Amino acid sequence: DIVMTQSPDSLAVSLGERATINCKSSQSILSRSNNKNSLAWYQQKPGQPPKLLISWASTRESGVPDRFSGSGSGTDFTLTISSLQAEDVAVYYCQQYYNTPRTFGQGTKLEIK
Amino acid sequence: QVQLHQWGAGLLKPSETLSLTCAVYGGSLSGYYWSWIRQSPGKGLEWIGETSHNGITNYESSLKSRATISVDPSKNEFSLNLTSVTAADTAVYYCARVPSLVRGWFDPWDQGTLVTVSS
Repeated sequence: DIVMTQSPDSLAVSLGERATINCKSSQSILSRSNNKNSLAWYQQKPGQPPKLLISWASTRESGVPDRFSGSGSGTDFTLTISSLQAEDVAVYYCQQYYNTPRTFGQGTKLEIK
Repeated sequence: QVQLHQWGAGLLKPSETLSLTCAVYGGSLSGYYWSWIRQSPGKGLEWIGETSHNGITNYESSLKSRATISVDPSKNEFSLNLTSVTAADTAVYYCARVPSLVRGWFDPWDQGTLVTVSS
């Protein structure tokens, strides 16, 4: 199984500042068939299911604010929130879909400083 | 817009069978895979398995001996049975849609059901 490791486990950022969450896979998740990285990012707020933010490592879902961006390739990936808003307080997860079983990172809790 | 809603027993005793059903509203089962995922404080988010609209299934290897995912296209529903539950199966269980061609991300998810296993 591919192990997904996120860092840090928790993060406190001031409103309006940049938040950066890292995700590392135990092997490359770059798909040779389409030269895309098989990585998704989710946001989970208390009492809610995870919400898909980004697929293919950098493709934002419709309706997701453009302050959210994903980057990286191979084994190292980053979710960046360019200007933190109060509503962004949540736990963020990465997930690989390069192979089965699909696996998730342990989550990064984002709070306001 | 597709919405998912599940139901099933929320409190089980050890050795009983967990049974959950997820209904799909606003869309067809065709063209997608349909997954079960669980979330617990100890193990985080864990993919359990999936079914296609015509019953092709895949399971996480550690759960394969106890899990069965079935589909009922006539009702636009799919189900999870997990036998011989223990306290380690206590979790919030989610159903979610998966794009067929990619078999990738999960979107959307239902609200989830907390299943507690306790004697």
